[in-house]
Amino acid sequence: AQRVTQPEKLLSVFKGAPVELKCNYSYSGSPELFWYVQYSRQRLQLLLRHISRESIKGFTADLNKGETSFHLKKPFAQEEDSAMYYCAPEFPNKFYFGSGTKLNVKP
Amino acid sequence: EAGVTQSPTHLIKTRGQQATLRCSPISGHTSVYWYQQALGLGLQFLLWYDEGEERNRGNFPPRFSGRQFPNYSSELNVNALELEDSALYLCASSPLVAETYEQYFGPGTRLTVT
Repeated sequence: AQRVTQPEKLLSVFKGAPVELKCNYSYSGSPELFWYVQYSRQRLQLLLRHISRESIKGFTADLNKGETSFHLKKPFAQEEDSAMYYCAPEFPNKFYFGSGTKLNVKP
Repeated sequence: EAGVTQSPTHLIKTRGQQATLRCSPISGHTSVYWYQQALGLGLQFLLWYDEGEERNRGNFPPRFSGRQFPNYSSELNVNALELEDSALYLCASSPLVAETYEQYFGPGTRLTVT
């Protein structure tokens, strides 16, 4: 069965430090992969999607098909990055969200 | 551009009653998704509607149902409410972009079952 795992519930880093939010999925095929973010008192919104190969707000996400992972990375965290991050693989006709990682960037 | 809207914001019901939640997608979006976010849990996929048809549903009992109207708005109905149905219910809509479904979320409806 398809599954998505975000192993860290909470990740605390200092401003300027690198950050990596982990996401692992189990699926034999090639899902489309998304990261969504929810800032305090705002609605859930798309951060980036793998198909676009884009960098949004300094974040990038690398797909590792061998490890079935899609980790979100940023070289220098900013305080405004503090938010809840959800990994969301799109399997055929099914939509899953990870349980989320709360990123806390300390000054 | 107006975003996804949901009503009501809050809903308080008694165990055994029925709840109806509503969602209006972004103009031009034909797909609507419903998710349940219970306290401490991630988003659990409930239902997906596209072009008026139910395309798929998650692992929820049949008392969770819904429909999509010709204007693409949607209703989620929860019958025979149980205490554990208390959660934030999120609606999202999407166009079909490059064969993937990028979702735009509403603010949610907080359902409390007492």
